[in-house]
Amino acid sequence: AQTVTQSQPEMSVQEAETVTLSCTYDTSENNYYLFWYKQPPSRQMILVIRQEAYKQQNATENRFSVNFQKAAKSFSLKISDSQLGDTAMYFCAFPAGNNRKLIWGLGTSLAVNP
Amino acid sequence: GAGVSQSPRYKVAKRGQDVALRCDPISGHVSLFWYQQALGQGPEFLTYFQNEAQLDKSGLPSDRFFAERPEGSVSTLKIQRTQQEDSAVYLCASSVGTVNTEAFFGQGTRLTVV
Repeated sequence: AQTVTQSQPEMSVQEAETVTLSCTYDTSENNYYLFWYKQPPSRQMILVIRQEAYKQQNATENRFSVNFQKAAKSFSLKISDSQLGDTAMYFCAFPAGNNRKLIWGLGTSLAVNP
Repeated sequence: GAGVSQSPRYKVAKRGQDVALRCDPISGHVSLFWYQQALGQGPEFLTYFQNEAQLDKSGLPSDRFFAERPEGSVSTLKIQRTQQEDSAVYLCASSVGTVNTEAFFGQGTRLTVV
């Protein structure tokens, strides 16, 4: 079965510091994508970053980067220079069902403190 | 429109009542997804459309749930004889291509069954 595990229900970080959110997954696929989405209180899911599994280089989007360890099936998100606007739920997800759906973790609630 | 629009944003239904939730995807987006998100959980897949074709409805929890996208644009999720366990946020997303491309989400409809 394809599963996604986020083991940190809640995390907090001081403004301007760095925080890492963890995600592990299980799949028998060889080529796939991995996603981190952010869900602020407005409820609208927003894509933060995407990683292609066949690429060895870790994806980076401004202050957001991933540490992708394919053999360990680990996909962590690092947020540098945390800002108050980063406060949100963060979900790890990957495609399943012949790429017809995303499988999601339970999420990590991140609070950035001033 | 500029983004995915869902209506209504909030719906309170009495147990046993039928409800219809609307999703206006981004114009030209081929793929449309419905997810159910219970409080404190990650989204759970309900169904997937490619244009007007419903290619996957494996996530619909019972035959009380029905979705359609008759002209390949607007989609409606209908829940008949609502039950308390149907209380959740219903998220709609659309994307240009497959699930491996960025999915754009609406703000969801929060359904409360009393």
